[in-house]
Amino acid sequence: NAGVTQTPKFRVLKTGQSMTLLCAQDMNHEYMYWYRQDPGMGLRLIHYSVGEGTTAKGEVPDGYNVSRLKKQNFLLGLESAAPSQTSVYFCASTYAGVPQHFGDGTRLSIL
Amino acid sequence: GESVGLHLPTLSVQEGDNSIINCAYSNSASDYFIWYKQESGKGPQFIIDIRSNMDKRQGQRVTVLLNKTVKHLSLQIAATQPGDSAVYFCAETSSISSGSARQLTFGSGTQLTVLP
Repeated sequence: NAGVTQTPKFRVLKTGQSMTLLCAQDMNHEYMYWYRQDPGMGLRLIHYSVGEGTTAKGEVPDGYNVSRLKKQNFLLGLESAAPSQTSVYFCASTYAGVPQHFGDGTRLSIL
Repeated sequence: GESVGLHLPTLSVQEGDNSIINCAYSNSASDYFIWYKQESGKGPQFIIDIRSNMDKRQGQRVTVLLNKTVKHLSLQIAATQPGDSAVYFCAETSSISSGSARQLTFGSGTQLTVLP
């Protein structure tokens, strides 16, 4: 049982490049979340999904897009990366309610 | 907007002592509170939660206390062990429109260091 798996673990991008972060969970959870964590700050919600085919904006959605085509996967996309998006990104899932299972994060640097 | 904050950014305790990590919240409408533990290089780990209709909840070696009058939350760890060294976050929630999904507001975290 892998839980929540995030790929890649590390990535360096140049400003303007695009990329997709993948989150996969094997617990059959309905709810999935994407957070970003910046130094000295708590996690902030980017987007979330309450089921396959549904997505919604969180606290800081600008510059990001998401898709939930399959129940087990939640993708986070950066169409045109900016230095302000340098952060650690965490995916989380839960059957219902608050996030209980987190991945180990993707460390993203935008130069 | 509403915020959740921690009184102290760092806390050092001797192994075997009890630890108390504090958290202040400002959203009086919050009805559910959670403590997470985050070890270096890892994602947050759910520790314990408490609903606003309770003032105390106990888990294995951990106790969460909620004082709604002063909007204060604390996490007590009994007999602190080296493996307890981590950053601890409190988070508060209020329900949002999409079914039972809840948007969390996290505090900035307290670094707990256990001294040998």
